[in-house]
Amino acid sequence: AQTVTQSQPEMSVQEAETVTLSCTYDTSESDYYLFWYKQPPSRQMILVIRQEAYKQQNATENRFSVNFQKAAKSFSLKISDSQLGDAAMYFCAYSLPNTGNQFYFGTGTSLTVIP
Amino acid sequence: DVKVTQSSRYLVKRTGEKVFLECVQDMDHENMFWYRQDPGLGLRLIYFSYDVKMKEKGDIPEGYSVSREKKERFSLILESASTNQTSMYLCASSPPLYPYTDTQYFGPGTRLTVL
Repeated sequence: AQTVTQSQPEMSVQEAETVTLSCTYDTSESDYYLFWYKQPPSRQMILVIRQEAYKQQNATENRFSVNFQKAAKSFSLKISDSQLGDAAMYFCAYSLPNTGNQFYFGTGTSLTVIP
Repeated sequence: DVKVTQSSRYLVKRTGEKVFLECVQDMDHENMFWYRQDPGLGLRLIYFSYDVKMKEKGDIPEGYSVSREKKERFSLILESASTNQTSMYLCASSPPLYPYTDTQYFGPGTRLTVL
């Protein structure tokens, strides 16, 4: 079975500080894609960052970066200089090339940003 | 920008009613998905479709059916609503798998309450 584990149901961070959200996944495939999605309260889910498994270089999008450890099947999200607008539920997900773009999601981490 | 819309943000129905949830996307995407989101369980795939009139079961199809008569529209049907189907329902769409696996684009969600 394809699984994604987010072991931190809730996290908090002080404004302007850095926080890391963890994610591990389980697949026997070697080719796949990894994603972090953000769902603000009562708002639409949006893509934060994506990573192709064949790329060794970690993806970065402004204040968001990932630490991708393929051997360990780990894909953590680091948010630098946290802002109040970063408060949201964050979901880790991956997709496999031969599954019709089917995604497998984790259970989410609720991030609170403290002013 | 990709736009995915869902017919209702909030819906209240009675046990035994037939319920239709509609999803429309404006980017000519081949793939469309229905998820339900519950606290602590993340997103679980109900059904997906990779072409008009095509459908595939996801992880939790029981009690649901879908319809895709036009490329832009994907409907989720609860044949006889039950209280355990009270949940947030998210629709998503994505371009074809090849030549790359793109992200999924989500609608705003429909919070369904079954009394």
